[in-house]
Amino acid sequence: DQQVKQNSPSLSVQEGRISILNCDYTNSMFDYFLWYKKYPAEGPTFLISISSIKDKNEDGRFTVFLNKSAKHLSLHIVPSQPGDSAVYFCAASVSNQFYFGTGTSLTVIP
Amino acid sequence: SQTIHQWPATLVQPVGSPLSLECTVEGTSNPNLYWYRQAAGRGLQLLFYSVGIGQISSEVPQNLSASRPQDRQFILSSKKLLLSDSGFYLCAWRIGTDTEAFFGQGTRLTVV
Repeated sequence: DQQVKQNSPSLSVQEGRISILNCDYTNSMFDYFLWYKKYPAEGPTFLISISSIKDKNEDGRFTVFLNKSAKHLSLHIVPSQPGDSAVYFCAASVSNQFYFGTGTSLTVIP
Repeated sequence: SQTIHQWPATLVQPVGSPLSLECTVEGTSNPNLYWYRQAAGRGLQLLFYSVGIGQISSEVPQNLSASRPQDRQFILSSKKLLLSDSGFYLCAWRIGTDTEAFFGQGTRLTVV
């Protein structure tokens, strides 16, 4: 059973606009959440994370929001750049277990 | 600095043949180690994780097995490959439980 879900398989955004990627999870025990970026035939690279005791974490153009009551996580990229085009995975962790969502393919249009 | 090595990068194997994929980590001790698979058009599925030598937790019952003979070595194996074992296999490591995981470059396995 998929514990971490990304319901939008793809997203297209104009350069300079905001990209919002969403993620839902089912396990209320998850206590650490992350976003990764992935290119084809490569391993994912870490972008940003958030602990369950926080509701927002910001790093440059990337901001992650956590809504624990809704079991929802989102990544905001502002402004979006063509180089941001990739597949984005959210991930959730509890203890030593570490689960990924199904990914959202982001295309930033110049 | 820490690095993770995964090989081979690509592999084509016939159905029914054995499999051994190796992953090693350098520059750290006692990492948690993970094997994931990304099937075509799908997300990253957690297959196995290990918190120490000889300690393997399996997430999905399947045709694969994992072993950790040394602290920084994680091996994914199969005795007889199936067509459905095709995919992109990724090894990862992390220290602790509230940190990011770092991934290898992956192995593209095609079973024919």
